[in-house]
Amino acid sequence: DTAVSQTPKYLVTQMGNDKSIKCEQNLGHDTMYWYKQDSKKFLKIMFSYNNKELIINETVPNRFSPKSPDKAHLNLHINSLELGDSAVYFCASSQDKAGGRNNEQFFGPGTRLTVL
Amino acid sequence: AQKITQTQPGMFVQEKEAVTLDCTYDTSDPSYGLFWYKQPSSGEMIFLIYQGSYDQQNATEGRYSLNFQKARKSANLVISASQLGDSAMYFCAMRALYGNNRLAFGKGNQVVVIP
Repeated sequence: DTAVSQTPKYLVTQMGNDKSIKCEQNLGHDTMYWYKQDSKKFLKIMFSYNNKELIINETVPNRFSPKSPDKAHLNLHINSLELGDSAVYFCASSQDKAGGRNNEQFFGPGTRLTVL
Repeated sequence: AQKITQTQPGMFVQEKEAVTLDCTYDTSDPSYGLFWYKQPSSGEMIFLIYQGSYDQQNATEGRYSLNFQKARKSANLVISASQLGDSAMYFCAMRALYGNNRLAFGKGNQVVVIP
C-alpha cells in the first residue's frame, strides 16, 4: 500500500499557467510537508501543516498556496508559473509526538514540474 | 537555525567494500535528531537511519550505521558491504526535537558502487 502518494508524477506546462499538485498520506500522520528539490538536488522545505494548520511557511513566493482539506491531504497550488519553478516537489508526512523520537518523515515519490 | 554540511565529492566504491559518508552539522538546539536518506536515480527519498542527540549508542540499521560524535557535531553514515543497489545520492538531515518540524538537509553525497 502506498504510504504517501502524489499526483501527478510529471507535470509539463507553459509559463503563466496555474497548476496543482495533490498529496495524500494513509499513515495517520498529523504533519505534512512540501519540499522543493532544485536542479542541484538541494532539498528545501516550503510548507508544513499540522492537523490542517499551517506551522511552517518559508520564504516562498505567494504564488504558491498550500491547502489542507483534512490531515491526510496537503495540496500545492501554484499560480502564474515561472521558469524558475521547474523542480521536483516532494510531499512528506510524519507523526510528531511532543519530544518524540523516531519521527522520520516519509516522502512521496515526487512530482517533476517542468515549466516551458 | 540548523545547518548541515556534506562536502565530499562524488564517490566510487568497490562492491562489498565499506564506505563512509561525512556529515557535520551546526545547531543551537539542545535536543535534536539526525537522519540519513537515500535517493536513488528513480528519485524517491528513502529513510535509512535515525540518531537522537541524547542516544547513548550509535544507531545501526542492517548494513547502515551512524558514527555519531556529538562533541565534533558529526554524524557520518557507514555503509558496510556495499551493493550495486547502494548507488544513489545520500542526504544527511536534522531537526530540533522540540518546536517546529523543519527538517534541514545537506547538499548530498553521490555514491556509485562499481562491480
